[in-house]
Amino acid sequence: GEEVAQTPKHLVRGEGQKAKLYCAPIKGHSYVFWYQQVLKNEFKFLISFQNENVFDETGMPKERFSAKCLPNSPCSLEIQATKLEDSAVYFCASSQAGGSYNEQFFGPGTRLTVL
Amino acid sequence: KNEVEQSPQNLTAQEGEFITINCSYSVGISALHWLQQHPGGGIVSLFMLSSGKKKHGRLIATINIQEKHSSLHITASHPRDSAVYICAVALSETSGSRLTFGEGTQLTVNP
Repeated sequence: GEEVAQTPKHLVRGEGQKAKLYCAPIKGHSYVFWYQQVLKNEFKFLISFQNENVFDETGMPKERFSAKCLPNSPCSLEIQATKLEDSAVYFCASSQAGGSYNEQFFGPGTRLTVL
Repeated sequence: KNEVEQSPQNLTAQEGEFITINCSYSVGISALHWLQQHPGGGIVSLFMLSSGKKKHGRLIATINIQEKHSSLHITASHPRDSAVYICAVALSETSGSRLTFGEGTQLTVNP
């Protein structure tokens, strides 16, 4: 597609439940990034992929967060046993190639609310 | 101290005014991005630059690598420019192009 698609738009989970978010990058883009926006303007990098391979996972909380990008499927970000502090907007971005000089295109985000 | 700092945090202007938003960073970078986040939450990439100056319509972005500073200018501001403007950098020490974000500048342009 021409835009990064993210589903669902909103997700509400009780504390301890699982949450799974999806991202379809722009067709032809080989890099996918996940960012977490907590509060209004605090962004945190989580993980990036080069095609189906993890490229950089230094931002991932290892205990409860996992992510995948499988061929011919949307990428996913899964949170096991959600906590209140996981409430945030999760943005996916894609870029045509890696390296620092490639523009990242952002999806509309998934707002996760943990009650 | 954040690696990327923006000023001001909030900015209110009258329609037609010239706007400047500043971004300073304390580390080596490969590229700097200016992003716009609409009130509804969507994020649009405005500029990506590693040197010099870029212009798109009423928007101008400049970067001074030696001074570790970038500015975003909006000429003839309009209420539709009201949004959060975010400076984000790709650090040269990190792998790939993951972005480190500033805290954003909330711009409100009144008619």
